[in-house]
Amino acid sequence: ETGVTQTPRHLVMGMTNKKSLKCEQHLGHNAMYWYKQSAKKPLELMFVYNFKEQTENNSVPSRFSPECPNSSHLFLHLHTLQPEDSALYLCASSQGPPASTDTQYFGPGTRLTVL
Amino acid sequence: GNSVTQMEGPVTLSEEAFLTINCTYTATGYPSLFWYVQYPGEGLQLLLKATKADDKGSNKGFEATYRKETTSFHLEKGSVQVSDSAVYFCALSYGNKLVFGAGTILRVKS
Repeated sequence: ETGVTQTPRHLVMGMTNKKSLKCEQHLGHNAMYWYKQSAKKPLELMFVYNFKEQTENNSVPSRFSPECPNSSHLFLHLHTLQPEDSALYLCASSQGPPASTDTQYFGPGTRLTVL
Repeated sequence: GNSVTQMEGPVTLSEEAFLTINCTYTATGYPSLFWYVQYPGEGLQLLLKATKADDKGSNKGFEATYRKETTSFHLEKGSVQVSDSAVYFCALSYGNKLVFGAGTILRVKS
């Protein structure tokens, strides 16, 4: 148990659906992250938030829309996804502000399948 | 650019064998280096880290030393257990970004 929870753990959706992934951290951290883990590819950073402000968008398609209402919660809103978006989506948090010595703590992930 | 290269797996060992998983990196500046472990069906857990050259990170019998001269951060354990079976990721951190290697699957047989 790392103090970072994600819901749902599994999600199956069609290409026309709209769904949201939720992440919550109980560590008192100020920075939060979304990562994508696809089969046979390294983990890819998607978004970084620091004190609720987005500081990094790693060229992510607009069909992924993040939201950070406070330092403890992070959402990833999904719409009109493609089958190649099927992956494990991992949330992480760190003390922040993000720096090279800052350790990130990961949630268990949401396994997303797009049909 | 910044990148991490790990040895390809899977690595299959018998219980109590010695483990080495190689990791080399390319970076501008002075990154921090990490090893994360992912057990089946779970997210990533920090295993150990080192923030400057010659630092040694250690945890649960695992060790890795930050070698600037060889740009390496190899993971070692003297005696593996079946419960160590997992995927191991080497990563470097610069600024607000973590860059991961592809991961190495470790399988330990009893």
